Amino acid sequence: TQLLEQSPQFLSIQEGENLTVYCNSSSVFSSLQWYRQEPGEGPVLLVTVVTGGEVKKLKRLTFQFGDARKDSSLHITAAQTGDTGLYLCAGESGSARQLTFGSGTQLTVLP
Amino acid sequence: KAGVTQTPRYLIKTRGQQVTLSCSPISGHRSVSWYQQTPGQGLQFLFEYFSETQRNKGNFPGRFSGRQFSNSRSEMNVSTLELGDSALYLCASSPWLGGQDYGYTFGSGTRLTVV
Repeated sequence: TQLLEQSPQFLSIQEGENLTVYCNSSSVFSSLQWYRQEPGEGPVLLVTVVTGGEVKKLKRLTFQFGDARKDSSLHITAAQTGDTGLYLCAGESGSARQLTFGSGTQLTVLP
Repeated sequence: KAGVTQTPRYLIKTRGQQVTLSCSPISGHRSVSWYQQTPGQGLQFLFEYFSETQRNKGNFPGRFSGRQFSNSRSEMNVSTLELGDSALYLCASSPWLGGQDYGYTFGSGTRLTVV
């Protein structure tokens, strides 16, 4: 069974601060996806990384896939209150079309 | 472009009953997956359909079943409901089998409460 450990589980910071969320596994994934979920809604895809060592930037968000494709990180620069939400990492392996989700990081950005 | 539509949004059922949830994927998307989200277990994969065929199934009892129609719309059914089936059920669509750099588009989910 593949597991994705996500940390921290909860994060409360002030607007303007930087933060990093980590996603780790002992398994290799062919792709790693990051989603953000608002209360009462489904997850919304932020990014997909597929190549070991890959770095993708989405405005103030930077996503990195580990060289061995077992871990990933999400870094947010100068957080804003609109960044508040549940951040989920999810891995996919081989040809199996199923996502293994991390437990999520509940981020609260205070004004 | 319309997103993934799930109906109903909310549902209250009694233990022992059965329930059917519906999902209409994004037009042109042929892969539909279902996930269960609970506070204790997080998001867990139920099953995935492509071209009316179940391609992959998660570790759930046989009370959970699904199907996909020729227009790619999908339904999932839970029979003999238990209190522990209370959850947010999410449907996700993707344009094709493979292409793992595309990701999934999720619907808003169906909140099922079993009493």
